Amino acid sequence: DVKVTQSSRYLVKRTGEKVFLECVQDMDHENMFWYRQDPGLGLRLIYFSYDVKMKEKGDIPEGYSVSREKKERFSLILESASTNQTSMYLCASRQSPLYEQYFGPGTRLTVT
Amino acid sequence: TQLLEQSPQFLSIQEGENLTVYCNSSSVFSSLQWYRQEPGEGPVLLVTVVTGGEVKKLKRLTFQFGDARKDSSLHITAAQPGDTGLYLCAGAGNQGGKLIFGQGTELSVKP
Repeated sequence: DVKVTQSSRYLVKRTGEKVFLECVQDMDHENMFWYRQDPGLGLRLIYFSYDVKMKEKGDIPEGYSVSREKKERFSLILESASTNQTSMYLCASRQSPLYEQYFGPGTRLTVT
Repeated sequence: TQLLEQSPQFLSIQEGENLTVYCNSSSVFSSLQWYRQEPGEGPVLLVTVVTGGEVKKLKRLTFQFGDARKDSSLHITAAQPGDTGLYLCAGAGNQGGKLIFGQGTELSVKP
């Protein structure tokens, strides 16, 4: 059974803290994605990666960075968390553009 | 920038009723996917439509891709409480294979 796992389901951090969200997939997929999901806004793409050590900005990359040192792992980093980054964060992977994206269960991040 | 407008945003119906969710754009998409998301979980793919005019059925769910590949609809017949969830459409456009997501439709089916 295919699987995308995320390091935490719930996370509470303080303003200014550095936050790491980790995502691991076991399907040997080339492509990995980080989205944030907010009510009424759907899923918005933060960053994506087509291969190891490659990254590209999505639609809302400001305040975020990513790291992909290994094919199966894609990390999202909030260098200095702010309250407007309180959201649900979803990681996804897929083999190629015409194929299904598999999503992790999400991390609900609260920044106080 | 390609956009997908999904409607309605909220839908609350009784068990046994029919419903349709729409996904519209002024842009052409090479394919369109429909996902369903339950609370506390990530979205799960229901179907991918690729050809203009294509119709796909998944039990009581019927998906249609518009002839011009700019719009899509999801029709549920005789809705059940188990259909409750967030439905998302997502189009694969001309931006390097990135998916463009609609805002989502929150469906509640009451017994």
